[in-house]
Amino acid sequence: DTAVSQTPKYLVTQMGNDKSIKCEQNLGHDTMYWYKQDSKKFLKIMFSYNNKELIINETVPNRFSPKSPDKAHLNLHINSLELGDSAVYFCASSPARWGHRDYGYTFGSGTRLTVV
Amino acid sequence: KNEVEQSPQNLTAQEGEFITINCSYSVGISALHWLQQHPGGGIVSLFMLSSGKKKHGRLIATINIQEKHSSLHITASHPRDSAVYICAGRFMDSNYQLIWGAGTKLIIKP
Repeated sequence: DTAVSQTPKYLVTQMGNDKSIKCEQNLGHDTMYWYKQDSKKFLKIMFSYNNKELIINETVPNRFSPKSPDKAHLNLHINSLELGDSAVYFCASSPARWGHRDYGYTFGSGTRLTVV
Repeated sequence: KNEVEQSPQNLTAQEGEFITINCSYSVGISALHWLQQHPGGGIVSLFMLSSGKKKHGRLIATINIQEKHSSLHITASHPRDSAVYICAGRFMDSNYQLIWGAGTKLIIKP
């Protein structure tokens, strides 16, 4: 009955590979996000979807592509992985779109990606 | 420039002590969030504030809009409170994205 679930929790892969991280929320939230936490522990937003519509697309390499088949899922696909992609990636959801209402967030447990 | 600054960066205290973590931000904030990241990495949303004060158990969060400052207090601290506490501001002129502080690493010793 996990609210926001990410898989896998750990991912170790070689440079150049393509990998996906999946995220699902069972809270009925309209908005989902992908964050990257770097080695300095800063959380940076990458993407946000509201009801399957891309609403935030930060300056990230186009090797990163989000996909939202429905509002309960937001997956992150990464092509041609590089060493610098190593980080913890967090998925989150909130009930409504930012700027429309103020709501908090529910985070997934994170995916630790290590590129070797 | 939208900025969020936290202090202290690290805080070690004895069990039972009253803890205060501070957060200051630049103008234009519509809401401020306090989050907790456990040693295992999971992130929990604690509070969202746009004015006043909120309380949940031993945690209290306050915000002073005029002074552009927020504080997170923990009463009767316990070793299980050991975590990184992050404040994040939602700024109206940045598409309501969250700007994160650097976090405060709190260690409560028994």
